[in-house]
Amino acid sequence: NAGVTQTPKFQVLKTGQSMTLQCAQDMNHEYMSWYRQDPGMGLRLIHYSVGAGITDQGEVPNGYNVSRSTTEDFPLRLLSAAPSQTSVYFCASSSRDRGTYEQYFGPGTRLTVT
Amino acid sequence: AQKITQTQPGMFVQEKEAVTLDCTYDTSDPSYGLFWYKQPSSGEMIFLIYQGSYDQQNATEGRYSLNFQKARKSANLVISASQLGDSAMYFCAMREGRGRLTGGGNKLTFGTGTQLKVEL
Repeated sequence: NAGVTQTPKFQVLKTGQSMTLQCAQDMNHEYMSWYRQDPGMGLRLIHYSVGAGITDQGEVPNGYNVSRSTTEDFPLRLLSAAPSQTSVYFCASSSRDRGTYEQYFGPGTRLTVT
Repeated sequence: AQKITQTQPGMFVQEKEAVTLDCTYDTSDPSYGLFWYKQPSSGEMIFLIYQGSYDQQNATEGRYSLNFQKARKSANLVISASQLGDSAMYFCAMREGRGRLTGGGNKLTFGTGTQLKVEL
């Protein structure tokens, strides 16, 4: 049981480039989310999903796209990278089977945009 | 208004002593949950403890306990018998509502964190 996995661990992009951050979970969780962590600001929600085919925007969605075609995968796409998107990105999943909705986090992807 | 406020950017505690990390929250939803996560220097997010808004008793998990004062909207984390390995960033977070209509409980709002340093 790998839990939540994210690839890549590190990435450097040039301004204007696009890329996809991968996230997968093997716990059959229906809920998945993407957060970004910037210094001094805690984690902020980018996009989330309550099931395959259903996604919605979080607090800071601009510049990012998501889709959820399977329960397991929830990729995050940067359409045209900007230096303001330099951050650490965390993917998380949770299930209502646990009454707490405890979120399980992946190890994070550190992205630098130059 | 900030939904989650952590007013202590940094804290020091001596090994084996207890420490309290403060968290206040703001919500009008009667159904919510409060979480504490630990983030060591390696970067991963580690779940510590959870308190539901309808829970009658304060949550405890080993050396961690949550001092939940609903009327004051505070959810302070108490770490007893601090260890050197407790040195990390600690985040308070809140889930509002539950079920698919409110994001399935998958929308957490985080505070800015408290950096805890345990000293010998």
